[in-house]
Amino acid sequence: EVVMTQSPATLSVSPGERATLSCRASQNVNSNLAWYQQKPGQSPRLLIYGASTRATGIPARFSGSGSGTEFTLTISSLQSEDFAVYYCQHYDNWPPWTFGQGTKVEIK
Amino acid sequence: QVQLVQSGAEVKKPGASVKVSCKASGYTFTGYYMHWVRQAPGQGLEWMGRINPNSGGTNYAHRFQGRVTMTRDTSINTAYMEVTRLRSDDTAVYYCARDLGGDDAFEIWGQGTMVNVFS
Repeated sequence: EVVMTQSPATLSVSPGERATLSCRASQNVNSNLAWYQQKPGQSPRLLIYGASTRATGIPARFSGSGSGTEFTLTISSLQSEDFAVYYCQHYDNWPPWTFGQGTKVEIK
Repeated sequence: QVQLVQSGAEVKKPGASVKVSCKASGYTFTGYYMHWVRQAPGQGLEWMGRINPNSGGTNYAHRFQGRVTMTRDTSINTAYMEVTRLRSDDTAVYYCARDLGGDDAFEIWGQGTMVNVFS
């Protein structure tokens, strides 16, 4: 089973600043990597798939990069609605699909 | 519009079973895998397994094999997930999620079903 490790666990950022979240896979997952945003009491929302493709309706301030074992989600200029928990998830080759433990983006 | 609507919250005793439903609308039900993901209180997301609504074929995460069964009824566009021999650590919100089709990222999510297991 592929282990996904996210860092940092918590990221304190001021509105308008840039946020950079990391996700590392324990083995090569090619570009089969997705990012989700989850706010309290809500279902997760797909942001990025294929490591770098924005899902429908996702603002351009969200971008994803990486392949293989190292991935990054960047939020270029944090808006108030972006403070949430972010998860990465791999879906390479064959199940099980696994999630990282999450990064909480909080207001500094 | 495309949506998944899940059944309501459940309270169960240890050792019991629970069956959660997920009704799909707005798209061709048999055209996309349906996945189940759970989230314990204050914890992260855990993939449980998936079902191919067209064939009924399933894949389960190892830790759930033998205790979780995923089924579907194509006549009413509904997927089901049953957990047997419930334990207190099965207390969680259970989500169904539809993938993108051709890509196993989860594009559409249900609203979640809270299952509480306590004696």
